[in-house]
Amino acid sequence: SYELTQPPSVSVSPGQTARIICSGDALERRYVYWYQQKPGQAPVLVIYKDKERASGIPERFSASNSGTEATLTISGVQGEDEADYHCQTADSSGIYVFGSGTTVTVL
Amino acid sequence: QITLKESGPTLVKPSQTLTLTCSFSGFSLDEPRQCVGWIRQPPGKALEWLALLYWDGDQRYSPSLRSRLSLSKGPSKDEVVLTMTNMDPVDTATYYCAHDGPEVSYDAFDMWGQGTVVTVSS
Repeated sequence: SYELTQPPSVSVSPGQTARIICSGDALERRYVYWYQQKPGQAPVLVIYKDKERASGIPERFSASNSGTEATLTISGVQGEDEADYHCQTADSSGIYVFGSGTTVTVL
Repeated sequence: QITLKESGPTLVKPSQTLTLTCSFSGFSLDEPRQCVGWIRQPPGKALEWLALLYWDGDQRYSPSLRSRLSLSKGPSKDEVVLTMTNMDPVDTATYYCAHDGPEVSYDAFDMWGQGTVVTVSS
């Protein structure tokens, strides 16, 4: 079965840039989606179709997808960005897969 | 505005069948390209996609759980029902339903319910 791998954690100082990698075989052939999840809350869609920001998402969030890796970048990290981030994709037969999730800690 | 809310038992015994209902508003599952999905998250762990119900009644299931899952439209036109058989303590998780449709992007969940916690224990 298809798998998406993420680093368990990323730490970043306020104002710096956080990059979260999502890896999967031939990932560039699929669209990748990113969700933000704060403690005790449901996930929120942040990025769709590899690089499009969802409604209400700040411009400091950007993303790309190339080769076997998709990257979510948070530029000028703020304390409110501290959360878990999950990547997700789907195959042509309608099977969805989530990544293992990454906890972003703002130091 | 799309909203979803999950409901069902908070505690089930091992080997029992879990039935969860997703009540939604702001869209119609009778309209083309509208879908409702189910996702779960064990405590402290990753999200796991379970199943997806399409507007036309078509269904997709996680390959690893396919034999235990069943989706249907509820008695009310604004409900989707998920059934999971032979529950085990490892199925303890927060269960979410979510909307997937053309408003933002297919193959993504643009709106989620608040989640419902299900504990499997004797």
